[in-house]
Amino acid sequence: DAGITQSPRYKITETGRQVTLMCHQTWSHSYMFWYRQDLGHGLRLIYYSAAADITDKGEVPDGYVVSRSKTENFPLTLESATRSQTSVYFCASTPSGAFGEQFFGPGTRLTVL
Amino acid sequence: GENVEQHPSTLSVQEGDSAVIKCTYSDSASNYFPWYKQELGKGPQLIIDIRSNVGEKKDQRIAVTLNKTAKHFSLHITETQPEDSAVYFCAARLTFGQGTILTVHP
Repeated sequence: DAGITQSPRYKITETGRQVTLMCHQTWSHSYMFWYRQDLGHGLRLIYYSAAADITDKGEVPDGYVVSRSKTENFPLTLESATRSQTSVYFCASTPSGAFGEQFFGPGTRLTVL
Repeated sequence: GENVEQHPSTLSVQEGDSAVIKCTYSDSASNYFPWYKQELGKGPQLIIDIRSNVGEKKDQRIAVTLNKTAKHFSLHITETQPEDSAVYFCAARLTFGQGTILTVHP
């Protein structure tokens, strides 16, 4: 029972490069979320998805793109990485409704040089 | 949108003492208030939650209280242990507080 996994766990890239962070869940949860975690800011919502092919912006969506062609996958793409996108990224899911218990992945630490 | 403020940002206690972390929220429509614990190198994990039709909820050494009129809710940990050391987050809707680093000294 893998639950929710993220890959890669660590990534170093350069400014201007495209980066995709992967998120996969085995529960068939309907809602999935992407957060970034920075010191002093807690967790900030980037994008979320209520179901396959349904996505919505969160608090800090600029510079990010998401897609959800399958219920179990929710990749996050940085189209042209900037240093301000250096952060730890967490994917999460909930079984039903946007405002229930969230199950978080282990996170991806991204460094943009 | 929702705005959540969490205090304190750091909290240091002796083993066996109690710890209290407080959060305020702005949106009166919020009705679900979870608390998450994050250990080093891991994702946050739910430890307790409360819905707006309840004023208090307890689970062993952990309790959460909610005051909907004042729009604040608190996490109470009694008889703290070193393994309680972690970062704690409150949330309302999809907005998280800034986090509290709790350190329990043996």
